[in-house]
Amino acid sequence: QQQVKQSPQSLIVQKGGISIINCAYENTAFDYFPWYQQFPGKGPALLIAIRPDVSEKKEGRFTISFNKSAKQFSLHIMDSQPGDSATYFCAASKGSGNTGKLIFGQGTTLQVKP
Amino acid sequence: DAGVTQSPTHLIKTRGQQVTLRCSPKSGHDTVSWYQQALGQGPQFIFQYYEEEERQRGNFPDRFSGHQFPNYSSELNVNALLLGDSALYLCASSRSGQETQYFGPGTRLLVL
Repeated sequence: QQQVKQSPQSLIVQKGGISIINCAYENTAFDYFPWYQQFPGKGPALLIAIRPDVSEKKEGRFTISFNKSAKQFSLHIMDSQPGDSATYFCAASKGSGNTGKLIFGQGTTLQVKP
Repeated sequence: DAGVTQSPTHLIKTRGQQVTLRCSPKSGHDTVSWYQQALGQGPQFIFQYYEEEERQRGNFPDRFSGHQFPNYSSELNVNALLLGDSALYLCASSRSGQETQYFGPGTRLLVL
């Protein structure tokens, strides 16, 4: 019940295209859903996060879509750029910040071709 | 403003040895969480420290222990190292009342 399942494992997109990564969770107590971006040799960096009281959140080229009834959420990267090539992790927690323990998905390696 | 810092960056140990990893949180942050990231996997929560106490713990054996100091910095100790402990160990800091956990660059541990 603590799992977060992420797909696809890897993704290749042409420059300017849309990258879509999906996640599903089981624990209905989760109330915080962040997406992290990780480059090789670096720690994960927060991209965008959402709470279940909204169905969509957009920040620049990054959008989270959230479906509470299906227990699914996804990351859309619009106008994908080669600099977006990285590993992306979805996560979920009950509580956030200094009270939440993040449960991460397995990661998606994104390659954006020029 | 310095971000989360961790030391050392890399470490090589042999089975059975003990290791101590260190983390300094972002300025103003009072909570430190530790995660283990195996190669090709997502980070897994080890434990979280707040006000010098372990507040939450993941599914890790007692060989994994930690400490938080009055200046909010933290240590992760692993005893009786196993080959399977080889991983990137990440520290994340956060501030009371705020959502985001900020990650450091990690310490890569190799156990031979």
